[in-house]
Amino acid sequence: KAGVTQTPRYLIKTRGQQVTLSCSPISGHRSVSWYQQTPGQGLQFLFEYFSETQRNKGNFPGRFSGRQFSNSRSEMNVSTLELGDSALYLCASSPYIGPPEETQYFGPGTRLLVL
Amino acid sequence: GESVGLHLPTLSVQEGDNSIINCAYSNSASDYFIWYKQESGKGPQFIIDIRSNMDKRQGQRVTVLLNKTVKHLSLQIAATQPGDSAVYFCAENKGDYKLSFGAGTTVTVRA
Repeated sequence: KAGVTQTPRYLIKTRGQQVTLSCSPISGHRSVSWYQQTPGQGLQFLFEYFSETQRNKGNFPGRFSGRQFSNSRSEMNVSTLELGDSALYLCASSPYIGPPEETQYFGPGTRLLVL
Repeated sequence: GESVGLHLPTLSVQEGDNSIINCAYSNSASDYFIWYKQESGKGPQFIIDIRSNMDKRQGQRVTVLLNKTVKHLSLQIAATQPGDSAVYFCAENKGDYKLSFGAGTTVTVRA
């Protein structure tokens, strides 16, 4: 099976702009999660989607949003970009066959640089 | 804040030796734990997992130990190889559809 794919891999934006990142989960996986990784804060949970429903959300401002489509593909959007949004954004998918089996498999990430 | 943390940020190991990476967690309600390996420029890669009803689980060259009494998790890598150089993260799942990650341990293998 193909792994989790994320597009684009690299992105440069300027403050105030908005950005949309895309994630395609492993075939058959219905749960998609997003994480932000920075040197200072490590891996921080953004949100999780299952069957187009957001089931949990991390402690991030409302500028961060996401959605999931009927084919399980997911997008996340960051509006009004700030310098501090520069990070590696990781998407993970899970078969979610039921707790506690919630192994998440990560994509390569999208490296976002905000200037 | 994060409830999972690693004892040491860095670990230097001689090639061929065994490595032990430690992790302490604070939430006794966590029921599922995962170790990930992240190489430079890549996303975290699943290594091994363990449920809270287990004490030990073995994979290929890796063993995870879980001590629920002291809320401690460890990853043992046998016969460490240069390809094992990476950042290792432990993560816990409390059944709320998210993983909480520790800060990571950077493992460097010396030839």
